[in-house]
Parts: sequence; structure tokens; C-alpha cells
Amino acid sequence: GIQVEQSPPDLILQEGANSTLRCNFSDSVNNLQWFHQNPWGQLINLFYIPSGTKQNGRLSATTVATERYSLLYISSSQTTDSGVYFCAVCSGNTPLVFGKGTRLSVIA
Amino acid sequence: DTGVSQDPRHKITKRGQNVTFRCDPISEHNRLYWYRQTLGQGPEFLTYFQNEAQLEKSRLLSNRFSAERPKGSFSTLEIQRTEQGDSAMYLCASSFDRGRDEQYFGPGTRLTVT
Repeated sequence: GIQVEQSPPDLILQEGANSTLRCNFSDSVNNLQWFHQNPWGQLINLFYIPSGTKQNGRLSATTVATERYSLLYISSSQTTDSGVYFCAVCSGNTPLVFGKGTRLSVIA
Repeated sequence: DTGVSQDPRHKITKRGQNVTFRCDPISEHNRLYWYRQTLGQGPEFLTYFQNEAQLEKSRLLSNRFSAERPKGSFSTLEIQRTEQGDSAMYLCASSFDRGRDEQYFGPGTRLTVT
């Protein structure tokens, strides 16, 4: 089945810093989602982005489907950005396959 | 639109007991998914429904697990004869299958088997 790799696994930032999270996947996809999992375990939808670029406030994402990767950019990070960021993909009619996540800690 | 809801949010049970979890999807969403997440890992797919039909089950779903979605609305996930290895967060998601299958997740049910 499709494989998803996220990097880095852990990231510590000073408040106000920028960061880039990466998601590599092993096959063509028709769905790619980025989620933020808060400390209570809730998965919050950030982007639905099987291709192209989107922006939402301080967050933006780019998926280059032909090269099988996606990037999540966080600018001017805040302590509330802390948590685990997951990339999840599906190919055809398969269910979402998640990466292992990037654990982000933003320090004041 | 109130989002996906799950009940209970937490469940502590003794090994060997049966437990049942409920998921209410976003109204009008015809697809409903169950995932399991253990510590330090991403969610893993268990099963999904399109309307009331269970279309796919993961090999993770042992014969102690059963899921239903009567009338294509809410769903239940039952675990019989729980084992300590069943301790995990059980997540439910729903989507509307019209070309853009964006999944929305509930808050999860955290199961602890003692």
C-alpha cells in the first residue's frame, strides 16, 4: 500500500519563528489532507490539498503531486500552534493513510 | 452543522469486558470511517461505511470487533472480550462522497483496558 513519510519527527521553535513540515508519499494520490492534533487528541482540518497551493492565515500548503510531496508552512509561530501535525493521503478508493506526524513545540 | 460527535469520550474497562462506542457523523455525510490511534502513531484505518453498507475492513479489525451503521446515520463500534492491547484512541470521521472526499474527525473515544 501507499507509504507516507513526514519530516522532521520533532521540531522545537521559538515563538515568532517560521517552519516547514514535509510529507513524502510513495504513489499518486487523489486526496491529501493536513491535520493538527491538539493536546486533547482532536484532529483539526487544516488543508485539503491533493495538488496546488493554498493559504489560510499564517498557514499555507503546497502539494507537488508529480514529485509526490507536500509542504506545510507555518509563519510567525504561536504557542497555540503546538501539537502534532499529520499528513494523510489516499489513492483511488483507499482509506486515508497517515504519516507518523511531526510533533511541534513552540516556546514563548 | 455541529461536527462529528463521539460518545463516550473516555472509557475504562477491565480485560474481558465488552465495550461499545457511538459516532454521529456530520448530517448528510454518507461516508463514515473508524480509525484507531496508539501513542506516538498516526491514526490507522479500521473500517468504513457508505450509507449503511460496510465496504471495507482492515486486517487490524479482528473478529472481536464489529461495527454497524443502521439506517446509514450513526455508527457503533463494539469490542468484545477486550484485551490490554485494545487500549487506544478510537476516532470516527465522516465525509460526503461527491468528488472531494475530505474527512472530518470527531474528538475520539479514549479506551483504557486494565
